[in-house]
Amino acid sequence: SAVISQKPSRDICQRGTSLTIQCQVDSQVTMMFWYRQQPGQSLTLIATANQGSEATYESGFVIDKFPISRPNLTFSTLTVSNMSPEDSSIYLCSVLRPMNTEAFFGQGTRLTVV
Amino acid sequence: AQKVTQAQTEISVVEKEDVTLDCVYETRDTTYYLFWYKQPPSGELVFLIRRNSFDEQNEISGRYSWNFQKSTSSFNFTITASQVVDSAVYFCALSENTGNQFYFGTGTSLTVIP
Repeated sequence: SAVISQKPSRDICQRGTSLTIQCQVDSQVTMMFWYRQQPGQSLTLIATANQGSEATYESGFVIDKFPISRPNLTFSTLTVSNMSPEDSSIYLCSVLRPMNTEAFFGQGTRLTVV
Repeated sequence: AQKVTQAQTEISVVEKEDVTLDCVYETRDTTYYLFWYKQPPSGELVFLIRRNSFDEQNEISGRYSWNFQKSTSSFNFTITASQVVDSAVYFCALSENTGNQFYFGTGTSLTVIP
C-alpha cells in the first residue's frame, strides 16, 4: 500500500487569497490525482499530475485557477487561487496501484473560504 | 452518463438493524474493478473492498458482505447488525482497464441511530 501525507488538513482562508496543498507519497508513482469534494457531494477529478509535464485538467477546471506542480515522483502540490466561498470543499490527492487495482487517498484538506 | 449510480442518498437505521447500500455501474470494459470506500465525518477515505470483474464470488468480512452480480451490473454492500460507528458516507467506485480514472458514485450517507 501507499502512504500519502497531505497538508494542511484544514484551513480557513479569506476570499481572494490562494492556498497551496501539499501531497507527499512514500513511494515513487507516475501519476498523482487531485480531487475536489464539495459539501455533500461525491469526488470530482480536478486533474492528473504527471512528473515532467503539465498536468492534465478535467472539463470545468483550468490551470489558472488550480495550478499544479509535480517536481518529482513522490510529491505534488495543488494551489487553489483567488478563492471564493464556492471553493470551500475537501481536496484530496490520490495515487493508483498499478493496473488501477486500488486508489490510495491522502487524509484530505478541508478548506473553508470566508 | 453516470458510470456509478448510488440511488440512495441518505439512509437511517436503528442500531442492530441490517442495511444494504446499492450500487449500479456501467462500463464497456471486460476487465474492471469495483470498490467500496467509507468516509467518516473526519473526511478521510477508508478502503473497504475491491472486486475484479472476473470474480463474482460474494464476500463476507465480519459484519460486512458484498454481492456482485454482473448480470445486473450491481455491487451491493450489506452491513449486518449495524453499529453507531458505521455512520458515514459510503462510496462505490469503478476503475476500468483503460484510462487512469476512478469513477465515484454520489455516495450514500448512512446514519445509525442508537
